[in-house]
Amino acid sequence: NAGVTQTPKFQVLKTGQSMTLQCAQDMNHNSMYWYRQDPGMGLRLIYYSASEGTTDKGEVPNGYNVSRLNKREFSLRLESAAPSQTSVYFCASSGWGDTQYFGPGTRLTVL
Amino acid sequence: DQQVKQNSPSLSVQEGRISILNCDYTNSMFDYFLWYKKYPAEGPTFLISISSIKDKNEDGRFTVFLNKSAKHLSLHIVPSQPGDSAVYFCAALPQGGSEKLVFGKGTKLTVNP
Repeated sequence: NAGVTQTPKFQVLKTGQSMTLQCAQDMNHNSMYWYRQDPGMGLRLIYYSASEGTTDKGEVPNGYNVSRLNKREFSLRLESAAPSQTSVYFCASSGWGDTQYFGPGTRLTVL
Repeated sequence: DQQVKQNSPSLSVQEGRISILNCDYTNSMFDYFLWYKKYPAEGPTFLISISSIKDKNEDGRFTVFLNKSAKHLSLHIVPSQPGDSAVYFCAALPQGGSEKLVFGKGTKLTVNP
């Protein structure tokens, strides 16, 4: 039982490049989330998905797109990366009425 | 405007003593509060929670207190251990079934041997 897994662990992009961050959970959770963590800013919600086939914007959605591919997988895409998107990205999942379980994070640097 | 505030970026205590981490919130619609713990290079992990209908919840060395009238909660760790050194995030959930947690900025706790 791996919990929440994220790939890649580290990534360096140039401004304007695109990439997709992958997230998968094996806990049969309905809800999945993407957060970013910046120094001194805590965790801010980018997008979340309450169930397969649905997505909703969080606090900081600009510059990102998401896909809830199936119940297990929730991906985050940066179409044209900017230096302001340099951050650590966390995926999380939760069952109904349950706490959120987080993945180990992806450290992204945009040059 | 920040709805969940952790005004102390850092806290240092001696091993064996009590650690008290504080959190204030502004939104009276929050009805469930959680504390997460985060080690470097790892994701946050759930530590303890409290519903707004309670004023205290205890789990081993960890106790969370909620003062609704003051919109304030605190996490007490007794006795503190070096392994407790981590960043602690306070988080809140609003009423109405929303699953969107609102996080504070975190407090870095250092427990010195």
